[in-house]
Amino acid sequence: QKEVEQDPGPLSVPEGAIVSLNCTYSNSAFQYFMWYRQYSRKGPELLMYTYSSGNKEDGRFTAQVDKSSKYISLFIRDSQPSDSATYLCATAPGSARQLTFGSGTQLTVLP
Amino acid sequence: NAGVTQTPKFQVLKTGQSMTLQCAQDMNHNSMYWYRQDPGMGLRLIYYSASEGTTDKGEVPNGYNVSRLNKREFSLRLESAAPSQTSVYFCASRRTGQSEQYFGPGTRLTVT
Repeated sequence: QKEVEQDPGPLSVPEGAIVSLNCTYSNSAFQYFMWYRQYSRKGPELLMYTYSSGNKEDGRFTAQVDKSSKYISLFIRDSQPSDSATYLCATAPGSARQLTFGSGTQLTVLP
Repeated sequence: NAGVTQTPKFQVLKTGQSMTLQCAQDMNHNSMYWYRQDPGMGLRLIYYSASEGTTDKGEVPNGYNVSRLNKREFSLRLESAAPSQTSVYFCASRRTGQSEQYFGPGTRLTVT
C-alpha cells in the first residue's frame, strides 16, 4: 500500500463547477500537507500549504485536512479552463525533510 | 530571481551512454532534491542533499550518482544509461525549517 493514495482521474468538469480533489494517507506522523499544480510539460508549483488539521483558503482554492480520517482535500470554486492541470498532494512528517507525493489527479475544465 | 533552473531541457541518449543533469537554485536554500516522474508513479525521490557536502539516497537511487558542487548547484549523473531511466527529471530545493519544496522546469530524458 502506498503511503499516499490519490485517484488519478482523469476528471472533467464544466467551467464554473466546484471541483473536489482528494488524497488519503496512512502515516499518522504526517503533519505538513501541500498541494502542487503541474501544467503539462512543466514543473510542479506549490499551490497550497497547511499544517496539521483544518482549512486554509486562498482565493478560489480551499485546502482541508482531516487528520482523524487521514484525508486531504482541495476544493476549487468557480473552476476555470486555466485550472486544467495535474494536481499532486504531498505530505511530510514533523522532520519535514522529505515529501511523500500522491500520483496526481489530472483535471480538465471544459469551457 | 530565476528560482530553480535545470539544464538541459531535453536529451536523447543511447543505452550505455553517460550524461550529467545540472540544477541550480538562487534562493539560498540548504536542501536540494532530485526526482523522477513516470506516468502513474508520481514523483519518486532519487537523491537529496540536506546541506552542502552531504548527500543521501532516496527511494530509487540505483543507476544514479549525485554531486553537491556548492550551495547553489546539485548535479545528477547517469554513468551508463538504460531504457528504464527514460523519464522526466525534476530538481527541487527547500529552505531549512520549512517543508515546502520548489521545483525546476524538468529535463525530459529518453534512452533508446
